[in-house]
Amino acid sequence: DSGVTQTPKHLITATGQRVTLRCSPRSGDLSVYWYQQSLDQGLQFLIQYYNGEERAKGNILERFSAQQFPDLHSELNLSSLELGDSALYFCASSPGLGGYEQYFGPGTRLTVT
Amino acid sequence: GESVGLHLPTLSVQEGDNSIINCAYSNSASDYFIWYKQESGKGPQFIIDIRSNMDKRQGQRVTVLLNKTVKHLSLQIAATQPGDSAVYFCAEAFRFDYKLSFGAGTTVTVRA
Repeated sequence: DSGVTQTPKHLITATGQRVTLRCSPRSGDLSVYWYQQSLDQGLQFLIQYYNGEERAKGNILERFSAQQFPDLHSELNLSSLELGDSALYFCASSPGLGGYEQYFGPGTRLTVT
Repeated sequence: GESVGLHLPTLSVQEGDNSIINCAYSNSASDYFIWYKQESGKGPQFIIDIRSNMDKRQGQRVTVLLNKTVKHLSLQIAATQPGDSAVYFCAEAFRFDYKLSFGAGTTVTVRA
């Protein structure tokens, strides 16, 4: 158990809808990362937050947004969902500004129908 | 992830043997190379990292080798155990930039 929790575990929704994925980092970790894992794109970095502020951005779609709250939990919002957004979404955390050793949660499996 | 790739998508190893997982990268400017392991149904788990100014680094039962001349990275696992069955990813990153760029992954299966 990495200490990172993600909810929900599974999510099934229809195209055009909006969903929110939630992540609680390990106790004391200030950095939170979001990754998307799909069969065709592999494991891709989306965005990093450090202590409530956006720190780094990857190839995150404009339909996707994230935020980190004062209690350090983070949410990833996915809107106008398309079939291609079906994937596993992982949250990871690390101490401080960042690290190469990131602690990944169990993921949220999103299925868009 | 486009610049990081793996030579073989699958590897079958006899329990107790040593495993070698290979990775080729194309971005010579990368500062760090990292190995992660993902077991079925779980998130990736950090194994070991190596800075670009090093050739070798050892951890518990694992050794990472970096050959910058041919842009090649390998992970050696000693005395492979059933619990080592997983998908192994190499990733690269720049110094002070913690967005990891992952390769495609190698599935390692340990035979009893």
